[in-house]
Amino acid sequence: QQQVKQSPQSLIVQKGGISIINCAYENTAFDYFPWYQQFPGKGPALLIAIRPDVSEKKEGRFTISFNKSAKQFSLHIMDSQPGDSATYFCAAPNSGGSNYKLTFGKGTLLTVNP
Amino acid sequence: SQTIHQWPATLVQPVGSPLSLECTVEGTSNPNLYWYRQAAGRGLQLLFYSVGIGQISSEVPQNLSASRPQDRQFILSSKKLLLSDSGFYLCAWAGKRGYNEQFFGPGTRLTVL
Repeated sequence: QQQVKQSPQSLIVQKGGISIINCAYENTAFDYFPWYQQFPGKGPALLIAIRPDVSEKKEGRFTISFNKSAKQFSLHIMDSQPGDSATYFCAAPNSGGSNYKLTFGKGTLLTVNP
Repeated sequence: SQTIHQWPATLVQPVGSPLSLECTVEGTSNPNLYWYRQAAGRGLQLLFYSVGIGQISSEVPQNLSASRPQDRQFILSSKKLLLSDSGFYLCAWAGKRGYNEQFFGPGTRLTVL
């Protein structure tokens, strides 16, 4: 059974700063690691994902870094803005022989102060 | 493009009453479908998933059941609600090709009193 450990639980950053959220996984059937962003009262939205054979993926201010040997991946938000304040979830494919499921981290509540 | 709908958006139900939450997906066929619950505190707990009509896998023993009567329809039910069933219920879909990218619906806020 896959386990994903996400840290920190909460994070406070000043506007313009860098937000960093880390995740560690145990096993995975394949290297696909998505990040989701959730605003209060809304469903999580797919933010960015990294796919096999890539160690880094950048989309605008958001970057995923992936360290396969350490079984870790992280989300970096550059030039953080108050509008980035949300809960962020990482996820990893289930290792149980099926690619039908994702295991999610417990989430990080990001607050960006103006 | 694909869209996913959930209703109702909010629901307040007494303990012991039945429950039916509905999820429908548009713009895709033969998706994998998922029900998650998110209790206060943010974590996403997978309740059920389905890879096809009538095919339901349960992840957590509980007071709930799921059904998939049509290809793009997923229903979450209970015969008798418990206080502990309160939470934010999320439906998600994923295509069968690729990396199981899951896309979530807007959610249903259920309060059991």
